[in-house]
Amino acid sequence: SAVISQKPSRDICQRGTSLTIQCQVDSQVTMMFWYRQQPGQSLTLIATANQGSEATYESGFVIDKFPISRPNLTFSTLTVSNMSPEDSSIYLCSASPQGVVEFFGPGTRLTVL
Amino acid sequence: AQTVTQSQPEMSVQEAETVTLSCTYDTSESDYYLFWYKQPPSRQMILVIRQEAYKQQNATENRFSVNFQKAAKSFSLKISDSQLGDAAMYFCAYRSNNDMRFGAGTRLTVKP
Repeated sequence: SAVISQKPSRDICQRGTSLTIQCQVDSQVTMMFWYRQQPGQSLTLIATANQGSEATYESGFVIDKFPISRPNLTFSTLTVSNMSPEDSSIYLCSASPQGVVEFFGPGTRLTVL
Repeated sequence: AQTVTQSQPEMSVQEAETVTLSCTYDTSESDYYLFWYKQPPSRQMILVIRQEAYKQQNATENRFSVNFQKAAKSFSLKISDSQLGDAAMYFCAYRSNNDMRFGAGTRLTVKP
């Protein structure tokens, strides 16, 4: 298993600003992921955070809007850039130590005014 | 593309009773994994149970068990002796290779 922490747990931001969310895993993992969960909805994969290379983005998500860093095997960041109210969501980080089960962080609740 | 369908947006169960949550999926893969995750109001996603597609035996974890019908592409979750703490959103999920898909979720209410 893996224990995952995220910072911040919540934030309220102004339109046009950017927020960086941090994700820390308690052990080295090959695979880390970022999801968005809009209010009352399911999880949508934003991207796979690759260590040592660029993230792999899902359709509808672009690097300019959601830049991701993965400097090592235990840490990743997601930045939500130039925010608008439509970006208000819960952002979840997950890790898959053995490529099967994903363990999730507690999420970051973002509100954009 | 693989899809996961949960046809029950909401379910309710009386405390100590049994409830079954439905999930179907669509895939052309033969090797995959299926999961049920629970998301209480704290929003922490918690793994409830997992099933490997190559295993015919249904997975069981204490009060939670699944009915895996591979030919029908069905993966239902049975919760026995329901407890108040079981109240949450339940998501069915499918994984093959690096592709993870979630269903829309079922909100379970437990009545005392």
